[in-house]
Amino acid sequence: KQEVTQIPAALSVPEGENLVLNCSFTDSAIYNLQWFRQDPGKGLTSLLLIQSSQREQTSGRLNASLDKSSGRSTLYIAASQPGDSATYLCAVRFQNNQFYFGTGTSLTVIP
Amino acid sequence: NAGVMQNPRHLVRRRGQEARLRCSPMKGHSHVYWYRQLPEEGLKFMVYLQKENIIDESGMPKERFSAEFPKEGPSILRIQQVVRGDSAAYFCASSPPGGSGANVLTFGAGSRLTVL
Repeated sequence: KQEVTQIPAALSVPEGENLVLNCSFTDSAIYNLQWFRQDPGKGLTSLLLIQSSQREQTSGRLNASLDKSSGRSTLYIAASQPGDSATYLCAVRFQNNQFYFGTGTSLTVIP
Repeated sequence: NAGVMQNPRHLVRRRGQEARLRCSPMKGHSHVYWYRQLPEEGLKFMVYLQKENIIDESGMPKERFSAEFPKEGPSILRIQQVVRGDSAAYFCASSPPGGSGANVLTFGAGSRLTVL
C-alpha cells in the first residue's frame, strides 16, 4: 500500500532558526515528489518539485532533498521568518500516476 | 496562462440539496484530481479523471458523489442530497499527460461547501 507520512505534525520555532521537515513514503517507484505550502483557509502553493532522478532542489531559503532508496525527503528552511508560518505538505507521485499526500506539518515561526 | 480555475469559491446548501463544483484544468493539462479537506484534517484523495474517463475513484463515497470530466468543458464534482458532514473544502488539481517526473501538480483555490 502506498502511503506518505510527515513528521512532526506540528513545529514551533523562534524566528531566525533553521528547520527541517520530514516526509517518508512506502514505495520507491515514484515519478516525483512535490512540496506544497497551505495557509489557513487557502489553497495549496507549490514550493519545489524533485524528480525521481534528482537528489535536491533549491529555491531561495528552501532546499528539498530526496533519497528514493530509503523513501525519504526533507524540506530545509533556512533563517525562518514569521511569514513562513503555514502548513507544509509533501505529495508523492507514484508510477500509477496517483498523487498521495502526507498529513502535513503545521509550522509556527515566533517573532 | 490561467491556473486551475474552480467555481464557485463558496457554496452554501441546505441539507438534501445538490452541490455542483466545477474545475477547469490548466491549459494543456488532461489529468484532473479532486481532493476533500475537512476542517483541521489533511487532504483526502477522492477521484482521478482524464478526459471522458474515470481512472481511479477509490476515494469517492459510494453514494451521492459522482464526478465527470467531459470532452468539452470543466470537470464537475456532484454531491446529491448533501448532509452536514459534506461541509468541507474541495480542491481540484491538474497535471499534464504522461508519466514524466517533470509533471507538476497544480491546485485550484478550492471550493468551500457549507451545508446548513
